[in-house]
Amino acid sequence: GAGVSQSPSNKVTEKGKDVELRCDPISGHTALYWYRQRLGQGLEFLIYFQGNSAPDKSGLPSDRFSAERTGESVSTLTIQRTQQEDSAVYLCASSSRAKTLAKNIQYFGAGTRLSVL
Amino acid sequence: GQQLNQSPQSMFIQEGEDVSMNCTSSSIFNTWLWYKQDPGEGPVLLIALYKAGELTSNGRLTAQFGITRKDSFLNISASIPSDVGIYFCAGQKSGANSKLTFGKGITLSVRP
Repeated sequence: GAGVSQSPSNKVTEKGKDVELRCDPISGHTALYWYRQRLGQGLEFLIYFQGNSAPDKSGLPSDRFSAERTGESVSTLTIQRTQQEDSAVYLCASSSRAKTLAKNIQYFGAGTRLSVL
Repeated sequence: GQQLNQSPQSMFIQEGEDVSMNCTSSSIFNTWLWYKQDPGEGPVLLIALYKAGELTSNGRLTAQFGITRKDSFLNISASIPSDVGIYFCAGQKSGANSKLTFGKGITLSVRP
């Protein structure tokens, strides 16, 4: 597609349930990022993929959070046993593998708004 | 986690006015970026800065990368109603494809 696509756009779940959030990056972008945005806050980094491997998982807040990427394309962020504190907008971004910083621009999707009741 | 410092949280200006936003950090970043976010959308890149002291313009927007590499500012001239939104600064440390660290954002309102 032309841009980063995320689904679903909205997700309401009950506390304790598992959720899966999907990200389709821009075609050909090898780098993929997940960020979390709490209400009224900036974006917090969660995890970064280069290809299908994740060299930086430092932002995952707990072991309830995991992510995978397949085919150097689609990525899924999974939150197990959701808690109310997990309510936020989860944003995905992708960028090309550029030798120069000038081309390493992260393009964002519209996000998935997760509400845990 | 670490966040960049942006204040105030909200700014209200009259259409046609100029506005300046500042972003500071306690640590050095090698790249500074300014993003704008509209409701229900992801952030969109406005300006990227790659060298200390760099001054870059994009239409009515001008941004500068501070000499100390610990701050940046964004200026919007002759504001128009569509400038309304949340403006985030973001910093990136060395290495291509590294994560972005964001400020909390400034919500800009423009009165017609």
